[in-house]
Formats: sequence, C-alpha cells, structure tokens
Amino acid sequence: GAVVSQHPSRVICKSGTSVKIECRSLDFQATTMFWYRQFPKQSLMLMATSNEGSKATYEQGVEKDKFLINHASLTLSTLTVTSAHPEDSSFYICSARERAGGQETQYFGPGTRLLVL
Amino acid sequence: DAKTTQPTSMDCAEGRAANLPCNHSTISGNEYVYWYRQIHSQGPQYIIHGLKNNETNEMASLIITEDRKSSTLILPHATLRDTAVYYCIVGGTSYGKLTFGQGTILTVHP
Repeated sequence: GAVVSQHPSRVICKSGTSVKIECRSLDFQATTMFWYRQFPKQSLMLMATSNEGSKATYEQGVEKDKFLINHASLTLSTLTVTSAHPEDSSFYICSARERAGGQETQYFGPGTRLLVL
Repeated sequence: DAKTTQPTSMDCAEGRAANLPCNHSTISGNEYVYWYRQIHSQGPQYIIHGLKNNETNEMASLIITEDRKSSTLILPHATLRDTAVYYCIVGGTSYGKLTFGQGTILTVHP
C-alpha cells in the first residue's frame, strides 16, 4: 500500500509553546488529508479534513485557531498545535487519501506522540 | 455514514483462521465496507475494502453478506503479529472521512 510518513514521531514540549507536525504522502499525491487525535484507551477522533490549497474543515469542538492546518502541496500537510497545554498531550495521526483505479483508499501515518509538560 | 457494530474482543490460536464479524445493518447502496487495524502505538493499517463482492488480498479476505448488512474479515492463518484492534468502517466511494468505532481487540495466542 501507499506510504504516509509523519515527523516527528514523538515530541516533548513546555506548556505554552507551539508544536508543528508534518504529514507526507511519499509515493502518491493526496488532494485530501485528515488529522486525527487518539487519547489512551480510546479510538481515533477526527479533528479536521485538509484539502490542498484551501482551508481545512474542522470537526465540531475542535478549535481552528489552536490547531492550525496547512495543506500547501499535494504531498504535505502540517498541523501546528499552538500554545500547547498538558491536556493537548495525545497521539496525533494523519491520513492521506489515494485515488487509483477509480477507487479511493485512505492510508495512515505512524502517528506523533505529543507530551506537553 | 452507517454505524457498525463489532464484538469488543476475540481470541484466536496462532495458525488458525481469525474470523472477525461486523454488523452494518443501515449501510446504504453506495457505501463501502473498510477494514483497518491498529497495532499498539502505531497508526491504523489499511487491510481491505469491498462493496458487494467478496474480496481477497495478501492480508485477508472480506466476506459481505448478500443483503450487505454484515461482513466478516478473515485472517486465514493468524500469527502473533496479528494481535491488534480491528476496525470495521462504512463509507462512500469518495468518503470524506472515516469514523472509527471502538473496534475488536483480537488477541492471537500461541
């Protein structure tokens, strides 16, 4: 299957700082990427849908000014957690949608574990 | 998107087939059934998807009932590395987003 990478794999930061997470589709172009968050022992929760060249669509309850998403190219989307606080500590996972053979499949990155102290 | 129902957990002996059921009784005609799995502390891994016909790839087989209200994911020869949470998700061809339920925790034991 197609490969999606994330960087960094884990990050520890101080409260109040901003953290940027990159998501790349390595061997395909993704017009749409998605950002999820997963807390311990819970399922994945969609945060936002990111379309190349346009503003992201955020799920209800997700603050767009806190979680900045940029999808500047067909292979890169970034999530910036601004003024991070301990409650933002979580596992952040991106996914990218590949369109091939008339069908679409969504592939996920390995995730980024964020710990805010 | 239609909701899915999966058992909370299942066990399987190594080398045996693992059959994971999923109910999606409210699925609509243009919605696909997708299966992903998540091994601890990793991102979800795509397994297989289908619309009406049964599907098979190098990882698994997907059996969809004729009325499409349920499906079964089959791992033909389970290994210890198949221990994971398995998610059954229903969505359209151009699915805008995948909504994850709680999935089935599959434990493969020696």
